[in-house]
Amino acid sequence: EVQLVQSGAEVKKPGESLKISCKGSGYSFPSYWIAWVRQMPGKGLEWMGIIYPGDSDTRYSPSFQGQVTISADKSISTAYLQWSSLKASDSAMYYCARHPGSYYNPVDYWGQGTLVTVSS
Amino acid sequence: QSVLTQPPSVSGAPGQRVTISCTGSSSNIGAGYDVHWYQQLPGTAPKLLIYGNSNRPSGVPDRFSGSKSGTSVSLAITGLQAEDEADYYCQSYDSSLSGPVVFGGGTKLTVL
Repeated sequence: EVQLVQSGAEVKKPGESLKISCKGSGYSFPSYWIAWVRQMPGKGLEWMGIIYPGDSDTRYSPSFQGQVTISADKSISTAYLQWSSLKASDSAMYYCARHPGSYYNPVDYWGQGTLVTVSS
Repeated sequence: QSVLTQPPSVSGAPGQRVTISCTGSSSNIGAGYDVHWYQQLPGTAPKLLIYGNSNRPSGVPDRFSGSKSGTSVSLAITGLQAEDEADYYCQSYDSSLSGPVVFGGGTKLTVL
């Protein structure tokens, strides 16, 4: 069974760093693109970027380029989303999502989401 | 402002038919890139509803259908049920600087 299991909720202060994770199982993790999607409270889905764990090829949405870092460790089937200095506006639910084949294709599996709260 | 434009809300009574539009441009839908639809029930992760403009994954009822015309696509839901009340999002590839993958702003479906 394919599963994407994300790390737990986080509460952080502005200026702190954070790295959340998404562990894939039940399939060949290096062979599928993993995307990150943001959903701010009461708002819609925003595609942030994507990584191919097999070779760490990474693409970012222009809105998120330079704001976050996406990485992956194929040896432990885990993708990451990282901030170096959080802002209150980073408070949101973050989903990881699998694109089979290429990012032209739809997401077929989603993680359960990681809620990030940034507050002083 | 989303690259793909959806109506913020639609509503219908049980048993009725509703449609949700998703309008793009020559850098996404108009360029021939496929559109996919997701349903997000309250408090849950999105779920794939339609892929490749008009295809249903296994397990999705045939009450849900998708179509495409020019730079727009539509999601139709027939025989509306209370359990269909959710947010619906379209998604496509975009070849402009907005891409590579973009979502519509989402549509809240209310079953009256």
